[in-house]
Amino acid sequence: KAGVTQTPRYLIKTRGQQVTLSCSPISGHRSVSWYQQTPGQGLQFLFEYFSETQRNKGNFPGRFSGRQFSNSRSEMNVSTLELGDSALYLCASSRTNLPNTEAFFGQGTRLTVV
Amino acid sequence: AQSVTQLDSHVSVSEGTPVLLRCNYSSSYSPSLFWYVQHPNKGLQLLLKYTSAATLVKGINGFEAEFKKSETSFHLTKPSAHMSDAAEYFCVVSEGYSSASKIIFGSGTRLSIRP
Repeated sequence: KAGVTQTPRYLIKTRGQQVTLSCSPISGHRSVSWYQQTPGQGLQFLFEYFSETQRNKGNFPGRFSGRQFSNSRSEMNVSTLELGDSALYLCASSRTNLPNTEAFFGQGTRLTVV
Repeated sequence: AQSVTQLDSHVSVSEGTPVLLRCNYSSSYSPSLFWYVQHPNKGLQLLLKYTSAATLVKGINGFEAEFKKSETSFHLTKPSAHMSDAAEYFCVVSEGYSSASKIIFGSGTRLSIRP
């Protein structure tokens, strides 16, 4: 069974641009969550999607948005990029969105903003 | 409100000696607790999880953790460290019984193994 796939693996963008990251969950998983990982802030929750609906949102500005498609694939978009958005963005999928459900993580997309 | 504190940012042990990574949590409800491991340039892998069943939880690669409600702790242990255990370890808490639940990551503990 294929794991969580994130594309692209690496990305370099300039300030002010926008970027879209993609996450394909494990087959049969309906919940997708996104996290930002930086050396200074650690791992921070961005948002969670379940059945195409955003169910939970972390404390990030509106420049960060996402969506989930009917096949459970999810995209995350960051507009007007800032240098501080440079991070590893991790996607996790779960079979359900219940709190005791194991989350499986992708390898991440490393975004560098210059 | 829930929170999780990993008490050590870096732990260094010799190969073959025991490992102890400490985690304390706070939660308004009965939490679910997890330990994840992240090897360099890799995603996170679940080591083990506690979900209100047995308080001593066994995970992969010889790791285990004990849920102690009185101490609000969920420390990760391994009897004998191996070089391949060198990685970043995250303690995670999740609570709530609705779709509004979310999970909180600890700040991570970097485990180094000396030959």
